This record gives sequence, C-alpha cells and structure tokens, in this order.
Amino acid sequence: EVQLVESGGGLVQPGGSLRLSCAASGFTFSDHDMDWVRQAPGKGLEWVGRSENKPKNYNTEYAASVKGRFTISRDNSENSLYLQMNSLKIEDSAVYYCVVWFNGYVAPWGRGTLVTVSS
Amino acid sequence: DIQMTQSPPTLSAAVGDRVTITCRASQSIDIWVAWYQQKPGKAPKLLIYKASTLESGVPSRFSGSGSGTEFTLTISSLQPDDSATYYCQHYYIPRTSFGQGTKLEIE
Repeated sequence: EVQLVESGGGLVQPGGSLRLSCAASGFTFSDHDMDWVRQAPGKGLEWVGRSENKPKNYNTEYAASVKGRFTISRDNSENSLYLQMNSLKIEDSAVYYCVVWFNGYVAPWGRGTLVTVSS
Repeated sequence: DIQMTQSPPTLSAAVGDRVTITCRASQSIDIWVAWYQQKPGKAPKLLIYKASTLESGVPSRFSGSGSGTEFTLTISSLQPDDSATYYCQHYYIPRTSFGQGTKLEIE
C-alpha cells in the first residue's frame, strides 16, 4: 500500500527557513517522480516543484513562485523526500503535500503538513 | 508553462442532475489529464486519470472525456456525497499545473 507521511511544518517568521520531510513507502521510491504541492487556506492547489526519478537523474524543477528559495532533495536509501524552504514569505503559508507520480496521476495523497509564516 | 483553465468556478445542482465540469489546456496535452475531488479539510482524492480512466473504487457515475486541449468531468446522477471541490491537473513532463477548481454545491 502506498503511503506518504509529511512532517516538519510549523510556525515561522517571514524571512525564516523550514525543512519539510516526506516518508514514502509501498513503492520503489527511486523509480518515481515526486512532487511537492501546496494549498493556501481557502485556495486551490499549487504545484511547488518536482524531483524526477532515477532514469532522469533526479532532476529538479520548480514553480516560478519558489525558484531560488526552495530546494527539493531526496534520500533514496531512506525513501524520503525533502523540501528546504528559505526566505519564507507570508504567501508561502499553506498545507504542503508530497505526492508520487504513477502513470499520469498522483495518488494517494498524504495528510499534508501545515506551514504558517507570520510575525 | 501549460495553463489549465477550469470552468465553472462554482456550480449548484440538484440530486439526480447531470453535471459537467470543463478544463481547457493552453496547448495540446494528449490525454494527460487527471481529475480530483476534495472535501473540506481533506486531501484530494483521485477520480479519473489519462482523461477517461476511472480510478478503482470510484463510482461509475463519474466519467471523463477529452483529448488535446478540451477535457470534461461528468457526474451522471448527482448524489449528496458529491458536494466538494473538483480540480483538473495536467501531466506533461517535466512540470504540472492544476485548474482553479470548481466548487459543487447540492441544492
């Protein structure tokens, strides 16, 4: 059974940093692209970025809104995905989900972890 | 980047009605569209992938169609449990994006 468990969210001041983690199980981690997706309170889903799979050399891609501030990494030995968030802004406040890509879809979704950027 | 324009933003319908939600892609994406249902306080749930493939366990009243740039999600006979927000998503490597969402209310 595929499981994704996000952690590391919390309250941080503007300009601060936070590192999110995602523990994955139930599939061969290195074979799959992994994304971070976020959802601000009362808003829609926003793609944050991607760590591609082993055949694609674990290449990373980012949304324009986070490029240069956020870094995605993965530890294939630990089946874990990470999101390092620096220079956080109030508008980065959201529930952050990590998701795994199968053949054209992501499922299931984890519960997410809440990040609140506030002074 | 490929943009997904979803309509309508809100929709109100009665139990038993047939409803359709549309997503239009800014360029051709073949059949690489998925649809998700999200209820308040919950994570999104996959309904349809590759434009028209029904996810296991999803009721057959849900169906998807389309290819290229125009995609639709149809609920053939609306049930009270279908009250939720629905999102489309494209999968066109190496990036993705979501539609703005459609909030479906049951009258």
